[in-house]
Amino acid sequence: GEDVEQSLFLSVREGDSSVINCTYTDSSSTYLYWYKQEPGAGLQLLTYIFSNMDMKQDQRLTVLLNKKDKHLSLRIADTQTGDSAIYFCAETNSGYALNFGKGTSLLVTP
Amino acid sequence: DTGVSQDPRHKITKRGQNVTFRCDPISEHNRLYWYRQTLGQGPEFLTYFQNEAQLEKSRLLSDRFSAERPKGSFSTLEIQRTEQGDSAMYLCASSPQGQGEKLFFGSGTQLSVL
Repeated sequence: GEDVEQSLFLSVREGDSSVINCTYTDSSSTYLYWYKQEPGAGLQLLTYIFSNMDMKQDQRLTVLLNKKDKHLSLRIADTQTGDSAIYFCAETNSGYALNFGKGTSLLVTP
Repeated sequence: DTGVSQDPRHKITKRGQNVTFRCDPISEHNRLYWYRQTLGQGPEFLTYFQNEAQLEKSRLLSDRFSAERPKGSFSTLEIQRTEQGDSAMYLCASSPQGQGEKLFFGSGTQLSVL
């Protein structure tokens, strides 16, 4: 199947920016997503981007898409301790079967 | 909008037993999805419904698994003759009409098969 790769861990200090990176292999991906999962909880949709866009900004979140390199990133500005969670990158070309990465565990230290 | 609701939150069962999970989607969401997540992994797609019709099933969904959405509202996922490898978090999601790409997930049912 198609692969979605993410680094497993990221640690940042409160107030700094966090950048979480993701690469994928499916050149026919139409939507790409970032989900957040806190311990014992389901997945919260943070943002998604169409494959014909290269950037999307939503408050503290900025998504960048490099379709040529199949690279997606999520930047969180002014990271807070409440942002500590696992962040999943996902892609789909069907709109129903999302292909997720293994998640990046973000730790925000005071 | 109360979110996607799943019941139970946790289920412990013995190998060989049958289990059934329930999912109540966000009201008026016509698409409903089941995913499975094991420890340290991202969720994996199992199946999805548009209204009451089951439109797609993953090859991960063996013959022991069956999902229904009889009236196009809530859905059930049944696992027969459970095996230890079935232990996972079972996640349900729903999406609104015409926005099939915006999946909203529930908190999941954690299944442990002993």
